[in-house]
Amino acid sequence: DAGVTQSPTHLIKTRGQQVTLRCSPKSGHDTVSWYQQALGQGPQFIFQYYEEEERQRGNFPDRFSGHQFPNYSSELNVNALLLGDSALYLCASSFAETQYFGPGTRLLVL
Amino acid sequence: RKEVEQDPGPFNVPEGATVAFNCTYSNSASQSFFWYRQDCRKEPKLLMSVYSSGNEDGRFTAQLNRASQYISLLIRDSKLSDSATYLCVVRGAGSYQLTFGKGTKLSVIP
Repeated sequence: DAGVTQSPTHLIKTRGQQVTLRCSPKSGHDTVSWYQQALGQGPQFIFQYYEEEERQRGNFPDRFSGHQFPNYSSELNVNALLLGDSALYLCASSFAETQYFGPGTRLLVL
Repeated sequence: RKEVEQDPGPFNVPEGATVAFNCTYSNSASQSFFWYRQDCRKEPKLLMSVYSSGNEDGRFTAQLNRASQYISLLIRDSKLSDSATYLCVVRGAGSYQLTFGKGTKLSVIP
């Protein structure tokens, strides 16, 4: 049984560009949450998707948007990238309370 | 005051030692509590949920004090493989997001 998968594993972009990150949840999970983890910090909640809708959003600007597809997979889009967006982006899937994390996408903005 | 606070460490302990981590949270309406462990450059993995009555899983014991808004994790008979960052995690009532502390780094030394 595959766990949570994310792609790509690493990405380098320049300021002002746009990026799309992808996540496939664990089998049987219907909810996807996205987190940003800067170096030396704990993960910060970006938003959660359930039934193809954004169910809750953290304190992130509108440059961060997402989508959930009918097969429960999800995308995170970040527009107008800033240097400060450099971080590990983690996707977590869940069916009930417990959230299981994918390996993350490491984004570097130059 | 930060929502979830932890001593960042590092805690350097010899194999076989007992080590305890503490965590405080600011939202008295918090409903669910967890400890995750994160190895270097990897994703967070659930170590254990924390219940009001306290709970144990092998060498690991978690305690919750709602009155003091305090969570603890005790690791007995430390192994080299316990070396990781331990993240204290809280979920507020009616919220889907997990709020993480910055983590406490543990190094178990031979």
